[in-house]
Amino acid sequence: DIQLTQSPSSLSASVGDRVTITCRASQNINSFLNWYQQTPGKAPELLIHSASTLQSGVPSRFSGSGSGTDFTLTINNLQPEDFATYYCQQSHTSRTFGQGTQVEIK
Amino acid sequence: EVQLVESGGGLMHPGGSLRLSCAASGFSVSSNYMSWVRQAPGKGLNWVSIIYYTGNTYYADSVEGRFTISRDISRNTLYLQMNSLRVEDTAVYYCARTTVTSSSDVFDIWGQGTKVTVSS
Repeated sequence: DIQLTQSPSSLSASVGDRVTITCRASQNINSFLNWYQQTPGKAPELLIHSASTLQSGVPSRFSGSGSGTDFTLTINNLQPEDFATYYCQQSHTSRTFGQGTQVEIK
Repeated sequence: EVQLVESGGGLMHPGGSLRLSCAASGFSVSSNYMSWVRQAPGKGLNWVSIIYYTGNTYYADSVEGRFTISRDISRNTLYLQMNSLRVEDTAVYYCARTTVTSSSDVFDIWGQGTKVTVSS
């Protein structure tokens, strides 16, 4: 099975900050990597697919990069509604999620 | 409006059975891949099962042989039949439309989730 390891597991940031979350795959997954945002009590929402393609309707302050085994989600100019948990997910072989990164208010 | 609405969750004893439903609107479940994803209390997301538009089905190892994914085209509804339930199956279960892109397949539309609790 392909394992996804996100880092950090949690972070504290302020409104206006730039935040970077990384996701490392246990083997090469090319660009079969997606990012989701989940706020408490709600279903996840797709942010980025295919490593770097912004989902329609998602603000441009979100961006993704990487290929192979190392991927990054960047949030520029962090907004109050961005405090949430973020998950990476691979679909190269079956489907697995990272353990999540909680972004908290500093 | 594109929407998914789950139902059927509840409190069950270990060894019991339950069927979850996911009613779709605004698109056809038969023309899309459809998945179930679950989230145990306070934990992360775990993929459970997928059905392709061809009808092919696949499962996570943890539910293989116990859960069955299916669909009713006339009702435009996805199902998850859960048998031999275990305490560790306790979770919120989400259905999700799974769209194939050029280099990935993604869970792009999610339902609100239905809670399943397995306890003695």
